[in-house]
Amino acid sequence: DAKTTQPTSMDCAEGRAANLPCNHSTISGNEYVYWYRQIHSQGPQYIIHGLKNNETNEMASLIITEDRKSSTLILPHATLRDTAVYYCIVYAGGTSYGKLTFGQGTILTVHP
Amino acid sequence: EPEVTQTPSHQVTQMGQEVILRCVPISNHLYFYWYRQILGQKVEFLVSFYNNEISEKSEIFDDQFSVERPDGSNFTLKIRSTKLEDSAMYFCASTPEVREQYFGPGTRLTVT
Repeated sequence: DAKTTQPTSMDCAEGRAANLPCNHSTISGNEYVYWYRQIHSQGPQYIIHGLKNNETNEMASLIITEDRKSSTLILPHATLRDTAVYYCIVYAGGTSYGKLTFGQGTILTVHP
Repeated sequence: EPEVTQTPSHQVTQMGQEVILRCVPISNHLYFYWYRQILGQKVEFLVSFYNNEISEKSEIFDDQFSVERPDGSNFTLKIRSTKLEDSAMYFCASTPEVREQYFGPGTRLTVT
């Protein structure tokens, strides 16, 4: 699975958009970009995933560059409850029985 | 909304004792996983389980570890002879197919 690079930490004001970048320059054509988050010591929570196209759901938007070498997770109106560690994970899904390889992620702190 | 549950939430055991961590995955899911997170460290994959057998395991998952789906609903992780370094949060996850995984709240294992 391709390696990802994320900033160690980011801050965001409550109510503003949080834009979390991820670099995955070695991504292969069949690999998806997945985002999870972990609030304090809870279990990781799935947010969104995509292959080529931008995606949006009730939690977030995912913007993937045309060359697929990087992506941005957007939380449109961050709240204090969005303070968490955000993980960008690239993997090919069906070829690996779903093993997720977590990095250190980005610690997002949302300030009042 | 269905969710993955884990019991107990906290388990304290003495070194050398056997522990069984229990998980109830979401009912129509077919792929099951265990991960662990040592305090302050990354979430690490332990094992994946599909069609009543292990499909993939990490180097951490040595002979001291075993998994079982004894009754079609529970999914257990057994550590035969616990060591101090087994102290960690253990997360169970499940998915209906190899795509986004749904994690439980975790069991905190403390080995003394």
